[in-house]
Amino acid sequence: QQQVKQSPQSLIVQKGGISIINCAYENTAFDYFPWYQQFPGKGPALLIAIRPDVSEKKEGRFTISFNKSAKQFSLHIMDSQPGDSATYFCAAPTADSNYQLIWGAGTKLIIKP
Amino acid sequence: ETGVTQSPTHLIKTRGQQVTLRCSSQSGHNTVSWYQQALGQGPQFIFQYYREEENGRGNFPPRFSGLQFPNYSSELNVNALELDDSALYLCASSTTSGGEYEQYFGPGTRLTVT
Repeated sequence: QQQVKQSPQSLIVQKGGISIINCAYENTAFDYFPWYQQFPGKGPALLIAIRPDVSEKKEGRFTISFNKSAKQFSLHIMDSQPGDSATYFCAAPTADSNYQLIWGAGTKLIIKP
Repeated sequence: ETGVTQSPTHLIKTRGQQVTLRCSSQSGHNTVSWYQQALGQGPQFIFQYYREEENGRGNFPPRFSGLQFPNYSSELNVNALELDDSALYLCASSTTSGGEYEQYFGPGTRLTVT
């Protein structure tokens, strides 16, 4: 069964530091790779997404780096803040559907003040 | 907050029973996707509805079924509940069908099967 491998499972970063979360995927039917942020008791919310005609996309403190040949992409959070403490999910398309994304298992990020 | 609402918030059912979960999509969105999120896991795609038709389905058995109504709201029905169906059920709406469009998630329905 197709998988998206996300690491690490949990991450503790000091306030002001850089948080880095990685994902590896398999073959895909289309090119769209989002990161979602989920707070306890809430549904996931889109944080940033990339369509890899570019290798990097930056929005404020959040950057996606994409390596198509390695089938890997990562989320970098610069100047991490306590309000960034949440669970982060990457997702990637399946190989055989135009509708389905496969999600990673999530990374629980804690930013220490 | 997104404009996606789900009801009920929590639900407790017994194994073998049937359940219906409801979702109202964000204004202007004609596509609804349903996901199952087990504790400590990422969401798993159940299916997607576009203009009242199912147009994509994940690896879930036929006892998971759905409907979409003319106002684009949606229902998820699960028959013959099993203990493993205990999870957070999320719906997400988007402006059109396909997996490559931003999905706006509701807060979910927490289903417990005993």
